[in-house]
Amino acid sequence: DAKTTQPTSMDCAEGRAANLPCNHSTISGNEYVYWYRQIHSQGPQYIIHGLKNNETNEMASLIITEDRKSSTLILPHATLRDTAVYYCILRIQGGSEKLVFGKGTKLTVNP
Amino acid sequence: DTAVSQTPKYLVTQMGNDKSIKCEQNLGHDTMYWYKQDSKKFLKIMFSYNNKELIINETVPNRFSPKSPDKAHLNLHINSLELGDSAVYFCASSRQSGTQYFGPGTRLLVL
Repeated sequence: DAKTTQPTSMDCAEGRAANLPCNHSTISGNEYVYWYRQIHSQGPQYIIHGLKNNETNEMASLIITEDRKSSTLILPHATLRDTAVYYCILRIQGGSEKLVFGKGTKLTVNP
Repeated sequence: DTAVSQTPKYLVTQMGNDKSIKCEQNLGHDTMYWYKQDSKKFLKIMFSYNNKELIINETVPNRFSPKSPDKAHLNLHINSLELGDSAVYFCASSRQSGTQYFGPGTRLLVL
């Protein structure tokens, strides 16, 4: 079972920042927070991951709280093409290879 | 350039038939996976291979048999197809314990 909790759905206006929350209150010290998204009918796409420091790449930023019990994925300027299901996943560093997907958050970017 | 590719993209077949799905990655990764996404959109790991050796087998019926001829390929053979096998099957690859990258999926419909 997934160890993360995410809202079922969110809406965002095009051009605005999309902030997607994730709760992982039982996270272990050696678990990374990974974010993937799945655009309709496509394979899951890797976005970003982090352990405890905030991370940024060309797609998004990841903010992890100091106690690591929650995180937020930020898409700084959402576009219509960012409409997708976003998954927050915990993965043990150097441990089991599998990703355990939950239900994710369906983000709809509106014009 | 396609990183993780799957063939066929669509597969429609009758119950009881045997079929194979192929996956290839050109990323130089040593670990490959099969995931299944059912009609309710839940994504679950089925198998994982590292350097052609099976390392994850998630209680999948033995009608499903993965085969890894080399590190770049992981094929999925399914015997005696059942209606419940209808799903989207995703292949993924990674360096060991690294970020997983997914293929576009194979949509299997069993009639």
